[in-house]
Amino acid sequence: GQSLEQPSEVTAVEGAIVQINCTYQTSGFYGLSWYQQHDGGAPTFLSYNALDGLEETGRFSSFLSRSDSYGYLLLQELQMKDSASYFCAVASTGGFKTIFGAGTRLFVKA
Amino acid sequence: GAVVSQHPSWVICKSGTSVKIECRSLDFQATTMFWYRQFPKQSLMLMATSNEGSKATYEQGVEKDKFLINHASLTLSTLTVTSAHPEDSSFYICSVGGGGVDTQYFGPGTRLTVL
Repeated sequence: GQSLEQPSEVTAVEGAIVQINCTYQTSGFYGLSWYQQHDGGAPTFLSYNALDGLEETGRFSSFLSRSDSYGYLLLQELQMKDSASYFCAVASTGGFKTIFGAGTRLFVKA
Repeated sequence: GAVVSQHPSWVICKSGTSVKIECRSLDFQATTMFWYRQFPKQSLMLMATSNEGSKATYEQGVEKDKFLINHASLTLSTLTVTSAHPEDSSFYICSVGGGGVDTQYFGPGTRLTVL
């Protein structure tokens, strides 16, 4: 089967750096994605890692270690608007579908 | 990325009625679309994979006779919730793959409330 684990909640202050971890178990691995979802809205794509290492996109970076079945999303220079839920997701080669983790709710305080 | 729309954005219906939700890929021809359901403060649960011109593939535990999916064209997939009950009240979201499994582009979602 497939499963992903990530913390349920994280709180940080404006301007800080926060790391959201994700561990996964999957039969057939293609890559790890991250999505952001604000309350009442739809998820939006943030980043994707197919290979080991760090991918940087502006204030957001994502890391993957395939040998450890582990990845993280790093958010720098936190802003209030970053308060949202963040989901890690695996793209399974089995059915070319995306399975999502339970989500991490990030609260950014002033 | 792909632009995806959904209609309606919200719907309230009586128990026992059927509701149709449309998902349109506005700038991308999608042979495959995905339907998700999300309950409050929970994750997105994949319900089914909609395949253009053929039957949808349903995830385990999802009743195919209750959630009817039709993918008649490369730009339109519909989800019909038949004989809706209050427990079907949820946020239904469709997505389109962005040319690979690495990216999913989501519609804005449809909030269904069954009274």
